[in-house]
Amino acid sequence: GAGVSQSPSNKVTEKGKDVELRCDPISGHTALYWYRQRLGQGLEFLIYFQGNSAPDKSGLPSDRFSAERTGESVSTLTIQRTQQEDSAVYLCASSLPGGVEETQYFGPGTRLLVL
Amino acid sequence: AQSVTQLDSHVSVSEGTPVLLRCNYSSSYSPSLFWYVQHPNKGLQLLLKYTSAATLVKGINGFEAEFKKSETSFHLTKPSAHMSDAAEYFCVVRGFFGNEKLTFGTGTRLTIIP
Repeated sequence: GAGVSQSPSNKVTEKGKDVELRCDPISGHTALYWYRQRLGQGLEFLIYFQGNSAPDKSGLPSDRFSAERTGESVSTLTIQRTQQEDSAVYLCASSLPGGVEETQYFGPGTRLLVL
Repeated sequence: AQSVTQLDSHVSVSEGTPVLLRCNYSSSYSPSLFWYVQHPNKGLQLLLKYTSAATLVKGINGFEAEFKKSETSFHLTKPSAHMSDAAEYFCVVRGFFGNEKLTFGTGTRLTIIP
């Protein structure tokens, strides 16, 4: 079946503007994650949604970052008043709700460049 | 809390020779460990995972990893490198029930010398 999809694939924006990134998880996957990958670095966890539970926002770097999820489907990550240090690849992953046994499948990412 | 340390940021091997990418983990409970690979301009792909079953885990493309609790290690190996193995490799540990977020190592870039 279809994998995790993300849009846009690339986004260039000016400092101070707001951006919205979208993630479509694999159908049936109730767990959804957002990660950030800065150039030459590993992934940093941002936020985690599991079903109807309150999301784990412990990885969000500042209050300029927020994320929403509609039921168990699409999620959007919003960055307000973007800064140059927000430039990174933003990756979304989804998994079944089986806890530690379940594999996270990653989307291709959105490459964000803040000028 | 859990963490992983990838001991080498860059590894170069000749084609046809063995590959060893080192990873040590820290976890307050029995961890779930993964290796992911990222080829240039491509998404992350799961190579293999350990979730408390067999300690020697076989993955795709001839890779395998051995979980050694006494050494808190989960090194990735392959008997014979291929040019297509050139990529960035990430060792990853997963959180426990209630928050299965992944914690990534800083990555090891594998270069294959023809």
